[in-house]
Amino acid sequence: QLQLQESGPGLVKPSETLSLMCTVSGGSISGSTGSWGWLRQPPGKGLEWIGGIYAVGTTYYNPSLRSRVTISADTSKNHFSLTLTSVSAADTAVYYCARRPLGYWDYWGQGILVTVSS
Amino acid sequence: QSVLTQPASVSGSPGQSITISCIGTSSDVGGYKYVSWYQQHPGKAPKLMIYDVSNRPSGVSDRFSGSKSGNTASLTISGLQAEDEADYYCSSYTSSNTYVFGTGTEVTVL
Repeated sequence: QLQLQESGPGLVKPSETLSLMCTVSGGSISGSTGSWGWLRQPPGKGLEWIGGIYAVGTTYYNPSLRSRVTISADTSKNHFSLTLTSVSAADTAVYYCARRPLGYWDYWGQGILVTVSS
Repeated sequence: QSVLTQPASVSGSPGQSITISCIGTSSDVGGYKYVSWYQQHPGKAPKLMIYDVSNRPSGVSDRFSGSKSGNTASLTISGLQAEDEADYYCSSYTSSNTYVFGTGTEVTVL
């Protein structure tokens, strides 16, 4: 059974960089024909797609976040990461990692709450 | 980036059927088969309920069904049960090679 687990700091200061990792178990990142992605959900609000990465390294991002987002993968360690720069309170959210085989997300991590505050 | 429009809330009695709409445009919902639906209970991660407009993943009850007409996708829950009370989100691929989500619908079982 494929499992994904987010990890990283739960508190980030304004203007600093948010960095999260998603560790995949029960399957190989490099063995997937789909991609691996990040999504987020501000408290009490809806879901927002951030972006994703294919095993070969191709990335794609939400245009509204593209200037601040980088998604990378380490296939040898079977994990992929999210970096979001110059964060503000608007970036406070539960961040999810998920697998996207085609046009949908079928396996999700449990989510990690990241609060941006000084 | 625009979001897809869903009703804020839908309610029904146990055993009844309810339908949640997801209104987009020809650049997203109306243009592609990649429409999916997610169920989210409080404090939990979203769960895939429908993919490619009308397909159910293994393990999802056949009480859940999806359809699309023009720029509007729909999720129908038949034989409503207490465990169906949750938030539901639609999602679609777009012509910009991006993904957009709906505003979310809170389903209440009366």
